[in-house]
Amino acid sequence: KQEVTQIPAALSVPEGENLVLNCSFTDSAIYNLQWFRQDPGKGLTSLLLIQSSQREQTSGRLNASLDKSSGRSTLYIAASQPGDSATYLCAVKGTSNTGKLIFGQGTTLQVKP
Amino acid sequence: NAGVMQNPRHLVRRRGQEARLRCSPMKGHSHVYWYRQLPEEGLKFMVYLQKENIIDESGMPKERFSAEFPKEGPSILRIQQVVRGDSAAYFCASSPPGKGTYEQYFGPGTRLTVT
Repeated sequence: KQEVTQIPAALSVPEGENLVLNCSFTDSAIYNLQWFRQDPGKGLTSLLLIQSSQREQTSGRLNASLDKSSGRSTLYIAASQPGDSATYLCAVKGTSNTGKLIFGQGTTLQVKP
Repeated sequence: NAGVMQNPRHLVRRRGQEARLRCSPMKGHSHVYWYRQLPEEGLKFMVYLQKENIIDESGMPKERFSAEFPKEGPSILRIQQVVRGDSAAYFCASSPPGKGTYEQYFGPGTRLTVT
């Protein structure tokens, strides 16, 4: 059974810092991995999607890496800003025909001005 | 390009009533997924549907919950005889047809409160 863990659960940093959010999964047989952002009381915004054959994806100040063999992904945020404050979720899709995503519990990030 | 739309955004029901949650996928998307986020818990998969077919309902509670995605109109998640434990945020996501990347795009959610 696939389990997804995110560490740390919460993180508070001063503005301008580079930071890394971690995601680990127990079953390396995945189809892809998605990173999402969720603001309080809102829906999920897809940030990056990494296919199982890829090692990393970049979008602006965000870079996500995937090491499928070790069951790990990291989300790197460069030059953090107060507007980056949110909960970050990672989710994996298995290789079966089901479309379901298995989510981690999330990392709640606070960037202080 | 409208995103995934869900309505209502907030729904209050008394115990024993029925709740109907609607989801309109993004234009051109034919795959719909429902997830539930209980207070202080992570997002949990409920059901995956394509037009007129339930593909995977492994996350659906056995009783009181049902979902459909008809040929015409939105997908509906129906909860009969709601109980307090059903209070949660319910999110719908959609993805395009075909194998593709299966990237899922989420709606804003419906927050159900059972009193």
